[in-house]
Amino acid sequence: GAGVSQSPRYKVAKRGQDVALRCDPISGHVSLFWYQQALGQGPEFLTYFQNEAQLDKSGLPSDRFFAERPEGSVSTLKIQRTQQEDSAVYLCASSSRDKSNQPQHFGDGTRLSIL
Amino acid sequence: AQSVSQHNHHVILSEAASLELGCNYSYGGTVNLFWYVQYPGQHLQLLLKYFSGDPLVKGIKGFEAEFIKSKFSFNLRKPSVQWSDTAEYFCAVNGAGTASKLTFGTGTRLQVTL
Repeated sequence: GAGVSQSPRYKVAKRGQDVALRCDPISGHVSLFWYQQALGQGPEFLTYFQNEAQLDKSGLPSDRFFAERPEGSVSTLKIQRTQQEDSAVYLCASSSRDKSNQPQHFGDGTRLSIL
Repeated sequence: AQSVSQHNHHVILSEAASLELGCNYSYGGTVNLFWYVQYPGQHLQLLLKYFSGDPLVKGIKGFEAEFIKSKFSFNLRKPSVQWSDTAEYFCAVNGAGTASKLTFGTGTRLQVTL
């Protein structure tokens, strides 16, 4: 079946622009996570949704970062007034149940480059 | 705060050599442990996971890992690597219970030569 789909795959933006990254989780998956992966590092947690509820946003680095999942399926990560340090791969993951031992299925990510 | 340490950043092995990648974690509670693999140009895929029961866990493609609670370790092993195992390997941990974020190590790049 279809996996987690993220778009765009690549995004180049000028410093100060706003960007929006989209995630289409596996159909029916309750839990959705966003991670940020800097070059040479492991993914780092940004935020978590259970259906449409954002239950944990402790990893968002600043108030320029905003995520939503209004209907409990597709999610959007928005970054306002982008800065060079926002350059990274943004990964979305979903899991089928609200249980920590359920594996998270990852998308291919969006590689964001801020000029 | 939880953390994961992967000791080997870059490992180069010849085909048929044995593999062991180290992973140690720090977490104040019951944990679930995972190994993910990222092949070149592909997304992160689950290799194996441990959440309870037998501490020796077998995963896909002949990989296994052993959870040693007293050492806070979850090392990944494979008796004989293949060229197709060339990839980046990530160890990750989360707390047991309801869905929670994964904390990843920095990854180990494995290069298998013919």
